[in-house]
Amino acid sequence: NAGVMQNPRHLVRRRGQEARLRCSPMKGHSHVYWYRQLPEEGLKFMVYLQKENIIDESGMPKERFSAEFPKEGPSILRIQQVVRGDSAAYFCASSPERGRSTEAFFGQGTRLTVV
Amino acid sequence: GNSVTQMEGPVTLSEEAFLTINCTYTATGYPSLFWYVQYPGEGLQLLLKATKADDKGSNKGFEATYRKETTSFHLEKGSVQVSDSAVYFCAFDIQGAQKLVFGQGTRLTINP
Repeated sequence: NAGVMQNPRHLVRRRGQEARLRCSPMKGHSHVYWYRQLPEEGLKFMVYLQKENIIDESGMPKERFSAEFPKEGPSILRIQQVVRGDSAAYFCASSPERGRSTEAFFGQGTRLTVV
Repeated sequence: GNSVTQMEGPVTLSEEAFLTINCTYTATGYPSLFWYVQYPGEGLQLLLKATKADDKGSNKGFEATYRKETTSFHLEKGSVQVSDSAVYFCAFDIQGAQKLVFGQGTRLTINP
């Protein structure tokens, strides 16, 4: 049973480009969470999704950031028109059921560098 | 607001030394408390947790006790090994929400 898979592991984008980060949850998990870790800081919650639904996006920046978790396929975190301040590690976690966020399993993260 | 403050790193110890990584939190309600560990090149793994006051979480020789009176959850290990070298994150879950609040992480290096 593969763990949470994130790709790419490393992503380099020029300012103004789009970044797409993918997360495949563990088999049987229908809840996905995205966290961002800025340099020298802890992980910060961004968004919580279930299949085809955004449940809590209180941590998402108001502009340029969006997330989806379609019925089929991985969850996608999209950052449009990236800026240098978007450089960070982005972690995805998944869990099998509501109310069990504490049992979430984390992926290895995608390290985004904006040049 | 909700926040976690943990010992700043990096922390460097010799093998078999005693380890303490301090963690204090500010939260409303009665959160559950966690320590996560991130080994080089890997994702975060849950190391241990405690769900109510005075509970002690333990795993792989690590321990932490939920101290409500001091809002603390310090991580301890009596004798560290080189394989314990990693980044350690203290966290809690916001009661009624599906999100974790993390500290900034403490990088631990154990020298043989």
